[in-house]
Amino acid sequence: EPEVTQTPSHQVTQMGQEVILRCVPISNHLYFYWYRQILGQKVEFLVSFYNNEISEKSEIFDDQFSVERPDGSNFTLKIRSTKLEDSAMYFCASGGEGGNTEAFFGQGTRLTVV
Amino acid sequence: KNEVEQSPQNLTAQEGEFITINCSYSVGISALHWLQQHPGGGIVSLFMLSSGKKKHGRLIATINIQEKHSSLHITASHPRDSAVYICAVRMDSNYQLIWGAGTKLIIKP
Repeated sequence: EPEVTQTPSHQVTQMGQEVILRCVPISNHLYFYWYRQILGQKVEFLVSFYNNEISEKSEIFDDQFSVERPDGSNFTLKIRSTKLEDSAMYFCASGGEGGNTEAFFGQGTRLTVV
Repeated sequence: KNEVEQSPQNLTAQEGEFITINCSYSVGISALHWLQQHPGGGIVSLFMLSSGKKKHGRLIATINIQEKHSSLHITASHPRDSAVYICAVRMDSNYQLIWGAGTKLIIKP
């Protein structure tokens, strides 16, 4: 069964460092998403990506964040200068169409900023 | 503001019991998702609904669009069903999912 894979599963980084979280979406999917979940809180939308550009982003997704699909298979989330409050579980998801198809989620990357 | 409300927040039941988790939403939606999150944190999509009812094994999900309400049912519950169950809605106007806070389900043997 096709699945979304995320690497690494856990990353520890020092405050101020850049991190790149990687995702390999399902191969024929067109829409890609990043979500995050701070420990004990709801999952929050960060960004959606379609046709090689951002289609929507939340207020969380500020200038410190960027996304890329560098090679047609990977979908990355970069945090330029991490803050303690960026510590969270980051989930990648992909879907076939924007509105009415199921999103498939990766297992998440737990980011710990120290 | 809470656009997606789930109840109950926590639910503990005995193995074999019939489980119902509820989700109410206040916005116009194109679809509603039920997802499962295990203690390790990974999220699995269980159902996507835009109308009616869906069944997969012991899981049943229903949605009433007029009442803006959905339910997830688990029949013959089992300890392996213990997880957090999350309702999330996809709004009419955009691609993002708005998430509920989740219902933590514990099934005791």
